[in-house]
Amino acid sequence: GENVEQHPSTLSVQEGDSAVIKCTYSDSASNYFPWYKQELGKGPQLIIDIRSNVGEKKDQRIAVTLNKTAKHFSLHITETQPEDSAVYFCAASSGTGANNLFFGTGTRLTVIP
Amino acid sequence: DAGITQSPRYKITETGRQVTLMCHQTWSHSYMFWYRQDLGHGLRLIYYSAAADITDKGEVPDGYVVSRSKTENFPLTLESATRSQTSVYFCASTQGFGYGYTFGSGTRLTVV
Repeated sequence: GENVEQHPSTLSVQEGDSAVIKCTYSDSASNYFPWYKQELGKGPQLIIDIRSNVGEKKDQRIAVTLNKTAKHFSLHITETQPEDSAVYFCAASSGTGANNLFFGTGTRLTVIP
Repeated sequence: DAGITQSPRYKITETGRQVTLMCHQTWSHSYMFWYRQDLGHGLRLIYYSAAADITDKGEVPDGYVVSRSKTENFPLTLESATRSQTSVYFCASTQGFGYGYTFGSGTRLTVV
């Protein structure tokens, strides 16, 4: 099955700086890559996603890039704010079976005011 | 209210007892999932369902049972709880590929 690796496991940045989280996947059939943000005591929430026919997608301060050849994708957060502090998960899916998503192990982002 | 709800939010149970975690969604999504979240392991799939009366095992199904008699409900049962099943459990649903998952708020289960 799919194996998704995520780095780094923890990340601290100063408020206003950028943060980058990287993921790699193993299954070349994967073609859907969502990112989730999980705040303390809550379930993961979808923040952005990208499909394999697109190389980059932006939504205000967040962007995701995808390199299918290298099988990796990244989350970029610019002008970080304290409310960006959370755990972020990447995931990958090939759309087969029951549309199962395979998750990375998460990155704890801390934005220092 | 629309959405996906899990109950209870917190549960403490003893080793060997049966416990059922409930999940209810109001969107009539076809697909539903149960994940457990443990430090260092991220989210691991326990069971999933593609429709009512259709369920299948995920990555870590041992010790768990699911059913889906109605589209909106997807309960997860621990038949004989063990300490290794202490975890936070999340239910999720989606209407299909490419739509992402919507997660519930989770159930924190402690087995003593």
